Amino acid sequence: QVTLKESGPVLVKPTETLTLTCAVSGFSLRNLRMGVSWIRQPPGKALEWLAHISSNGEKSYSTSLKSRVIISEDTSKSQVVLIMSNMDTVDTGTYYCARVRSDYLSAFDIWGQGTMVTVSS
Amino acid sequence: DIQMTQSPSSLSASVGDTVTITCRASQSISYALHWYQQKPGEAPKLLIYAASSLQSGVPLRFSGSGSGTDFSLTISSLQSEDFATYYCLQTYTSPRTFGQGTKVDIK
Repeated sequence: QVTLKESGPVLVKPTETLTLTCAVSGFSLRNLRMGVSWIRQPPGKALEWLAHISSNGEKSYSTSLKSRVIISEDTSKSQVVLIMSNMDTVDTGTYYCARVRSDYLSAFDIWGQGTMVTVSS
Repeated sequence: DIQMTQSPSSLSASVGDTVTITCRASQSISYALHWYQQKPGEAPKLLIYAASSLQSGVPLRFSGSGSGTDFSLTISSLQSEDFATYYCLQTYTSPRTFGQGTKVDIK
């Protein structure tokens, strides 16, 4: 069974750096057909794609956030990490990680349950 | 960045109705368009990938069509469990972009 599970702080202060971890199971981060993306959703608003890492380590980022976001992976731990710097109140929302299947034209086929992050002083 | 314009932003329908949601890309994205359903408090669920392929386990009343810049999601014979918000996603190029969502509620 394929699962992804996000973890990280529930509350961060403005200007702090957020670190989120996505623990995957049921598939390998070394599988050439797989990758992982991060997506977020402010309360009551639409989904926003943040970053992606493919099995060969290639990374891509949201245009508006690329100066603040870093994605990395630890294949030995089956984890993908998202680091977002200089957090602001507008970054409050639910953060999801999702598996990306290249054989599905890179659709995000399995999602984690999401983790809610509140940015407040 | 490729802009994805979804319409309508919301619609009201009754059980048994057929509803169609459209998504237009600001440039051609071939068939790299996917549809998701999201219910309150839940993660999005993949319904359709590659414009028209039904994800395993998704009821046959869901169908997708289109290519290039214009795509649609059709729900035939709407069921009570289908009242939710629907999003399109393009993965033709990075950055990936979502539509703004279509909320389907009960008339």
